[in-house]
Amino acid sequence: AQSVTQLGSHVSVSEGALVLLRCNYSSSVPPYLFWYVQYPNQGLQLLLKYTSAATLVKGINGFEAEFKKSETSFHLTKPSAHMSDAAEYFCAVSEDSGYALNFGKGTSLLVTP
Amino acid sequence: GAVVSQHPSRVICKSGTSVKIECRSLDFQATTMFWYRQFPKQSLMLMATSNEGSKATYEQGVEKDKFLINHASLTLSTLTVTSAHPEDSSFYICSARDPGNYEQYFGPGTRLTVT
Repeated sequence: AQSVTQLGSHVSVSEGALVLLRCNYSSSVPPYLFWYVQYPNQGLQLLLKYTSAATLVKGINGFEAEFKKSETSFHLTKPSAHMSDAAEYFCAVSEDSGYALNFGKGTSLLVTP
Repeated sequence: GAVVSQHPSRVICKSGTSVKIECRSLDFQATTMFWYRQFPKQSLMLMATSNEGSKATYEQGVEKDKFLINHASLTLSTLTVTSAHPEDSSFYICSARDPGNYEQYFGPGTRLTVT
């Protein structure tokens, strides 16, 4: 079985500050890992995904994540937060591309002026 | 990227009635679609996997007789919530797998409110 754990249900950063959202995974097979963003009352938008190629994955809107097998982590970062980054962020895992996803509980990102 | 639509985006129904939600892949044929449910302030939980031309596979704890899934064509899967109750109120999101690249694309979701 595969699962992800997102540390911190709420994260608050100042505009311009570093964004760090944490995700740890558990998987018996090499995982496929994803980060999605969800704005209120909307669907999911894929930020980036790891599919066993490069361990540092760059996504949209300036986000990136690094796959660290030794730490079983896939943390999401962005060097400088914008007000528009305020949203709910979900880490997810699947056993292969196109398979159903197991989502973490989500982290709500608040960006303050 | 590929587009997946859902209809309706919002629906309010009375307790005891049935509601059908449609999930369409607009520019690719999807042999597999997934249905997820998201309660307020919570994560998405997989309800079932919908395969074109065959019965859906339901996750443990999901009542297949209550949540009827029909994947009658390569571009359409429907989720029917039968005899809806207030506890079925939720955000239902579908996704479709593009067989060309095995990417999974999400619909915008349907907000169901049962009164």
